[in-house]
Amino acid sequence: GENVEQHPSTLSVQEGDSAVIKCTYSDSASNYFPWYKQELGKGPQLIIDIRSNVGEKKDQRIAVTLNKTAKHFSLHITETQPEDSAVYFCAAVLYTDKLIFGTGTRLQVFP
Amino acid sequence: DGGITQSPKYLFRKEGQNVTLSCEQNLNHDAMYWYRQDPGQGLRLIYYSQIVNDFQKGDIAEGYSVSREKKESFPLTVTSAQKNPTAFYLCASQPSPGKYEQYFGPGTRLTVT
Repeated sequence: GENVEQHPSTLSVQEGDSAVIKCTYSDSASNYFPWYKQELGKGPQLIIDIRSNVGEKKDQRIAVTLNKTAKHFSLHITETQPEDSAVYFCAAVLYTDKLIFGTGTRLQVFP
Repeated sequence: DGGITQSPKYLFRKEGQNVTLSCEQNLNHDAMYWYRQDPGQGLRLIYYSQIVNDFQKGDIAEGYSVSREKKESFPLTVTSAQKNPTAFYLCASQPSPGKYEQYFGPGTRLTVT
């Protein structure tokens, strides 16, 4: 079936370094790709999204890139800070208008 | 103060009892969703509703039921038929079926013993 694969499952970086999380999707018709940040015990928060007519989108220290040909998209966090520590989920919308989520990446930023 | 509220935050039930989780939104969003999250896993869709008085099954609807009598409210009932109900339940809303941004509530952690 349709799915979204996310890698890595855990990521540890030093404060100030960059972090990159990658996702691949199977439905070539997907045209919307959001990223969510989930802190412990809370609901996911939409942090950035990209649509299929755009290759890259930035918002301060975070950016998302999309390669439709290869069917993958990535989240880039620069100058990481301890408060960036959380679980990050990617997602893709299917032709059925439903979001399919990746399995999450636990990011730890060490001071 | 607009947003999505879920209550209660923690819920404990005995096996064999039905339990209803509340989800309310004042964002005037048309669509609402229920997801289940298990430790170390992604979100799995239980039910969704794109308009009032209509809803569809998601990928793991067995053992759950919903209603959508008002635009603002989308309660989820976990029935005794759900074999493994202990999980973190998340409600989300979306402006309209064609606008895909989903906004989540704070979640309800259900423990069934």
